[in-house]
Amino acid sequence: EAQVTQNPRYLITVTGKKLTVTCSQNMNHEYMSWYRQDPGLGLRQIYYSMNVEVTDKGDVPEGYKVSRKEKRNFPLILESPSPNQTSLYFCASSTTTGGYSPLHFGNGTRLTVT
Amino acid sequence: GNSVTQMEGPVTLSEEAFLTINCTYTATGYPSLFWYVQYPGEGLQLLLKATKADDKGSNKGFEATYRKETTSFHLEKGSVQVSDSAVYFCALSGTGNNRKLIWGLGTSLAVNP
Repeated sequence: EAQVTQNPRYLITVTGKKLTVTCSQNMNHEYMSWYRQDPGLGLRQIYYSMNVEVTDKGDVPEGYKVSRKEKRNFPLILESPSPNQTSLYFCASSTTTGGYSPLHFGNGTRLTVT
Repeated sequence: GNSVTQMEGPVTLSEEAFLTINCTYTATGYPSLFWYVQYPGEGLQLLLKATKADDKGSNKGFEATYRKETTSFHLEKGSVQVSDSAVYFCALSGTGNNRKLIWGLGTSLAVNP
């Protein structure tokens, strides 16, 4: 089954403790992206990647890191989480061929930083 | 810059009622327009899209027409079901290499039996 898999689904952590949210897709998609979703603010892009070893900042990259060493994986790293990073995070992927292809989303990771 | 404005929710309807969720946009060029749906506890998924003016996207009984003259892409369904309860997002395609979508804030729909 074609899917984007994020782990974990729920995470509670404390300020300053490094964490990684994993994202993996099995559709051989070139493009991957991370979003955060907050009430009243909608979806905001954190980082995106056009292909392996190619990443770039989205609208709200501060406090986050990403890497794209393999095509299928695009982990989101919070080196020193802070409470304002409490949010619902989504990973998404799409192909970049054949026109504007739809984004496929994971089921989300709800992060709480205390 | 490009932007999307959609009606605020929540919207509460009875089963079999008619649904309209308004979406208007501001954009340069000729963007593609999308409606995504987010069911409880899940990620977003594409509901329908339109890539040029006067195109009508449709799926699962939902429809939206790309109206360039009114810069609108309103979502409609003739008879909603309880299973349509979700959050609906209007979006338009960005420009350049970043395939980032410009998102509306989402409209929550609750359908009561």
